[in-house]
Amino acid sequence: EVQLVESGGGLVKPGGSLRLSCAASGFTFSVYSMNWVRQAPGKGLEWVSSISSSSNNIYYADSVKGRFTISRDNAENSLYLQMNSLRVEDTAVYYCARYTVTEPLDYWGQGTLVTVSS
Amino acid sequence: DIQMTQSPFSVSASVGDRVTITCRASQGIYNSLAWFQQKPGKAPKSLIYAASSLQSGVPSKFSGSGSGAEFTLTISSLQPEDIATYYCLQYDSFPRTFGQGTKVEIK
Repeated sequence: EVQLVESGGGLVKPGGSLRLSCAASGFTFSVYSMNWVRQAPGKGLEWVSSISSSSNNIYYADSVKGRFTISRDNAENSLYLQMNSLRVEDTAVYYCARYTVTEPLDYWGQGTLVTVSS
Repeated sequence: DIQMTQSPFSVSASVGDRVTITCRASQGIYNSLAWFQQKPGKAPKSLIYAASSLQSGVPSKFSGSGSGAEFTLTISSLQPEDIATYYCLQYDSFPRTFGQGTKVEIK
């Protein structure tokens, strides 16, 4: 069974940093691209970042470019999102999701809440 | 960036009704369009990919159509368990972009 479990969310002050993790199991993690998608309270879904299976191709939304860094450890079956210079508007539930060209974002984690507030 | 315009913002229909949601892309995206269902407090769930292919395990009352820049999601017979917000996603190019969402309610 495919499972994605996010962790690392919490309360942080504006300007602070946080590192999210996503533990994958039930599939061959190393052959799949992975994505982060977020959802601010009461708002819609926003794509954040994508990383290819070998980390060769990485993309970011303009809203996080230069502040967030996506990475992965295929040996540990884990995906990460390093978030620096956090802003109030980064407050959201952050989901990791598996991606294939044929069936994009077919599996999602349960999400982890990041709250940026003073 | 490709903008995805989803309509309506919300729809209220009776049990058994046919419900149609539209997603328009600001430029052609071939069939690189997926639909997701999100129930309150839950993660999104994949329903349809490649505009019209049903994700494994998804009931056949859900169907998708369209190509190029205009797409539709149809629920053939609305049931109480279909109450949710539905989102489209274009994955033709980066940045990936979602529609604003359509909230489906029972009348």
